[in-house]
Amino acid sequence: DTAVSQTPKYLVTQMGNDKSIKCEQNLGHDTMYWYKQDSKKFLKIMFSYNNKELIINETVPNRFSPKSPDKAHLNLHINSLELGDSAVYFCASSQGGSSGRVGYFGPGTRLTVL
Amino acid sequence: EDQVTQSPEALRLQEGESSSLNCSYTVSGLRGLFWYRQDPGKGPEFLFTLYSAGEEKEKERLKATLTKKESFLHITAPKPEDSATYLCAVQERGSARQLTFGSGTQLTVLP
Repeated sequence: DTAVSQTPKYLVTQMGNDKSIKCEQNLGHDTMYWYKQDSKKFLKIMFSYNNKELIINETVPNRFSPKSPDKAHLNLHINSLELGDSAVYFCASSQGGSSGRVGYFGPGTRLTVL
Repeated sequence: EDQVTQSPEALRLQEGESSSLNCSYTVSGLRGLFWYRQDPGKGPEFLFTLYSAGEEKEKERLKATLTKKESFLHITAPKPEDSATYLCAVQERGSARQLTFGSGTQLTVLP
């Protein structure tokens, strides 16, 4: 049983194109995230959604737009792709409560912009 | 701003050679410190959460400890299958539960 799934796993596209990455979690968690991992393996938060509501929007170009149709899904749409957008994008989920554990990451989507 | 620094960047060990990875952090109020393992081409896999100085957690050959300024991940008698990148992250009290990650330590255990 896959806890957090992402599609596609690989995405190769040309500069200027628009693309989407989909994420689904079957854990019943109330919060979902998008992280970006650059070539130096540095993971950085991009967005966080709690119960379909945006609660974190870090300094990310407005070409990136997250969409949460329901608590189990958080998609990432990217307009006018640039070379610097090439990275691995991870979706993650967590459940509220005193533990605040963020335990579950998806397998990642490797985006290459040519 | 929260800061997390991991050292060393890379570590090569012989099988059975114990060692420690370091994670030093600066945060205004720590809610939790997390250790993850990441294998090539995969997402981070949760290992431990530590909440207060003095706390320790163990899992197989791994033991994580926490002080007010840093955390250590001790690896006892490592095996080649322990080879991975180990990531440390902090969660600030009052935050919306996002994590601030260090850049990781790439561990290679040679047979």
